[in-house]
Amino acid sequence: GQQLNQSPQSMFIQEGEDVSMNCTSSSIFNTWLWYKQDPGEGPVLLIALYKAGELTSNGRLTAQFGITRKDSFLNISASIPSDVGIYFCAGLPNAGNNRKLIWGLGTSLAVNP
Amino acid sequence: DAGVTQSPTHLIKTRGQQVTLRCSPKSGHDTVSWYQQALGQGPQFIFQYYEEEERQRGNFPDRFSGHQFPNYSSELNVNALLLGDSALYLCASSLRFNQPQHFGDGTRLSIL
Repeated sequence: GQQLNQSPQSMFIQEGEDVSMNCTSSSIFNTWLWYKQDPGEGPVLLIALYKAGELTSNGRLTAQFGITRKDSFLNISASIPSDVGIYFCAGLPNAGNNRKLIWGLGTSLAVNP
Repeated sequence: DAGVTQSPTHLIKTRGQQVTLRCSPKSGHDTVSWYQQALGQGPQFIFQYYEEEERQRGNFPDRFSGHQFPNYSSELNVNALLLGDSALYLCASSLRFNQPQHFGDGTRLSIL
């Protein structure tokens, strides 16, 4: 099925460093969502974006809806060990009443204390 | 405020059997979506239910079917199980289809 291009695939950083990951699509999206998934659990919603250019923060996390509506990024500042996990972007394409969320393959984040 | 709950948490079946997975949505949500997540992959959309009807379907065969009840809870049924059906099955709920989806912790289905 259709997938978003999410990068990087994995990251290994030192505690306290900032992290940046992004997602791109060949088509326009109406909504961008960022989720975090820990082993054995379902994805947890971090940030939802609805408008092109929108910049939204959730604690140390900041995400932006790209101006072209074809991309989004997520930044994590001052990483801590509990940030470890897999981060997924997901989007709702601009296609009428389309209800199908499209997902990236995830960015696996490891934090060295 | 209870979030999305799924049952069972784990299930082992053999090829050819049938399985039913259950989902209770987050309080106040009326829309339920089901996803299949293979190891190392992102979730793949199976279908979405709203007002007890299947509203949209992903690229899954007819062996995958579902149901939504008047209390918004939902079931996912898979017939004639194949080895490739082994995966984490996630349920997500939302208020309408265009609001953010909240996920349960999934059912881990293993086919022997």
